[in-house]
Amino acid sequence: TQLLEQSPQFLSIQEGENLTVYCNSSSVFSSLQWYRQEPGEGPVLLVTVVTGGEVKKLKRLTFQFGDARKDSSLHITAAQPGDTGLYLCAGARGTNAGKSTFGDGTTLTVKP
Amino acid sequence: DTGVSQNPRHKITKRGQNVTFRCDPISEHNRLYWYRQTLGQGPEFLTYFQNEAQLEKSRLLSDRFSAERPKGSFSTLEIQRTEQGDSAMYLCASRDTGSTGGYTFGSGTRLTVV
Repeated sequence: TQLLEQSPQFLSIQEGENLTVYCNSSSVFSSLQWYRQEPGEGPVLLVTVVTGGEVKKLKRLTFQFGDARKDSSLHITAAQPGDTGLYLCAGARGTNAGKSTFGDGTTLTVKP
Repeated sequence: DTGVSQNPRHKITKRGQNVTFRCDPISEHNRLYWYRQTLGQGPEFLTYFQNEAQLEKSRLLSDRFSAERPKGSFSTLEIQRTEQGDSAMYLCASRDTGSTGGYTFGSGTRLTVV
């Protein structure tokens, strides 16, 4: 059973469009991270959210943590080809920075 | 600081051979993690260390896998008697104890077992 479900699995859009991807779970997390990964490379951390209802913005990316700390979303405004990649969410349970559990990601392709 | 460094970047080995990978974490980070990632999947937890102590090991990790962090700095991951199913990207990451932030990952080691 996958602890973190990400949707959609694949998304292909045109440059300039907006999009939202989701990360859902039945479990409560103390913190949740979003990463972006390019082929052949390790994931790169985009953001960490820790408070229920928290919203963080990083340029054209907006991240939201659900009120119950079980789900999160990533919204990209005016997508660019450079946004292409695998977007992974990961959750940690407990406050002692043990292991994080990853979803299987959303593969985003932005066409010029 | 050059971030998390992993060597080699690529390894091709014959089934049945042993392989060893190395990870050098960010020097200030006392926690080091190993994950495995196959195509179309997210990273899967293998094990992690705090300093030189191995705090948790996945039940998915067979006894052919062993990891060490002898001086609390770099770590090695060894796979004995490799099988084709071991083919994957092996990722190393580090972070501080007590941090609610995310990991800093290395670029990974791509293992292909033929």
